[in-house]
Amino acid sequence: EIVLTQSPEFQSVTPKEKVTITCRASQSIGSSLHWYQQKPGQSPKLLIKYGSQSFSGVPSRISGSGSGTDFALTINSLEAEDAATYYCHQTVSLPQTFGQGTKVEIK
Amino acid sequence: QVQLVESGGGVVQPGRSLRLSCAASGLTFTKFAMHWVRQTPGKGLEWVAVISYDGSNKYYADSVKGRFTISRDDSKNTLDLQMNSLRVEDTAVYYCVRDLEEYSSGWRSSPFDHWGLGTLVTVSS
Repeated sequence: EIVLTQSPEFQSVTPKEKVTITCRASQSIGSSLHWYQQKPGQSPKLLIKYGSQSFSGVPSRISGSGSGTDFALTINSLEAEDAATYYCHQTVSLPQTFGQGTKVEIK
Repeated sequence: QVQLVESGGGVVQPGRSLRLSCAASGLTFTKFAMHWVRQTPGKGLEWVAVISYDGSNKYYADSVKGRFTISRDDSKNTLDLQMNSLRVEDTAVYYCVRDLEEYSSGWRSSPFDHWGLGTLVTVSS
């Protein structure tokens, strides 16, 4: 099973600051890494697919990068609506696995 | 637009069974592999099972293999999860989820672009 380790687990950020969340895979997964945003009481929403491809409707301030074992999600100029928990997810092999999540709080 | 609506959750005793259903609308159901994913406060998101677009392939997480069965009824656009021999650790919100890309076999799928709102399963004596 491929283990995904996210860091940090929690981040408190002021508006307009830049946020970077990393996701490290226990073995190479190519670009089969995706990012989701989940707000309280809601289902996860797809943000970035295959490492760096923005999903439809995602603001341009949110971007992804990386391949192999190291990936990052970056939110430029954080807005209040970005307060959420973010998860990475790999689909290269079964069982599919998720990172443990990173909670982003707005100061 | 695509809608996935889960039902069937509830409180059940350990060892008993429960059947979850997901009603899908706004999509050509027969083109997509479908998954169940669960979420607990302690363990986060956990992939549970997948069924290929044509129903020919089914795969399960080790934690549920032999106890849970995923199935689909393309005539009704529904996805089911039969859960037997339930354990306390199966307590979670269960989501019905769609693969982004069409015609996936399930073995190597694509990201999840549509999620239901989830249904809560509580296993407790």
